Amino acid sequence: GAGVSQTPSNKVTEKGKYVELRCDPISGHTALYWYRQSLGQGPEFLIYFQGTGAADDSGLPNDRFFAVRPEGSVSTLKIQRTERGDSAVYLCASSLSGRDTQYFGPGTRLTVL
Amino acid sequence: KQEVTQIPAALSVPEGENLVLNCSFTDSAIYNLQWFRQDPGKGLTSLLLIQSSQREQTSGRLNASLDKSSGRSTLYIAASQPGDSATYLCAVTTSGTYKYIFGTGTRLKVLA
Repeated sequence: GAGVSQTPSNKVTEKGKYVELRCDPISGHTALYWYRQSLGQGPEFLIYFQGTGAADDSGLPNDRFFAVRPEGSVSTLKIQRTERGDSAVYLCASSLSGRDTQYFGPGTRLTVL
Repeated sequence: KQEVTQIPAALSVPEGENLVLNCSFTDSAIYNLQWFRQDPGKGLTSLLLIQSSQREQTSGRLNASLDKSSGRSTLYIAASQPGDSATYLCAVTTSGTYKYIFGTGTRLKVLA
């Protein structure tokens, strides 16, 4: 079956612009995670959704970052007023339920110039 | 605050060798631990999930062990192959939270 997909695969933007990153989880997976990964580092937790609700958003670095999952499937990570330090690979993962085996998408590489 | 450490950061071995990768965590009140592999430029692939009540899990040539009291997990790879070359990451979630904390990974190279 289809795995987790993320679009776009690459996004180049200018400092100060707004970006949206999309994640399509595996059908039927109620849990969805967003992570950010910098070169040479492990993924850093951003936010966890259980169904439509953000059950834990403690990893969002500041109020420029926001994520939604309105129908409990597709999720969008939104970043306002992008900064160069936001450049990283943004990874999405889904699982049948929270704390279950996670299935990762290929990631979106965000570059802020 | 949970911290996860993986040593060594990089490892190079000849094909056929058995090897052990290490993962240490500071808070022993974990719910479960997952091992992943990551190929360059790709997302992560789950290898094994080990619950806090388990001592080990096996999948093919891979065996993961867990010692909660000492805050350690090891991933044993038998008869390594060049296709095993990748970065191996461990991640833990603590009881009472759904947040996973990752180590920085061990970059493995298996030489043909």
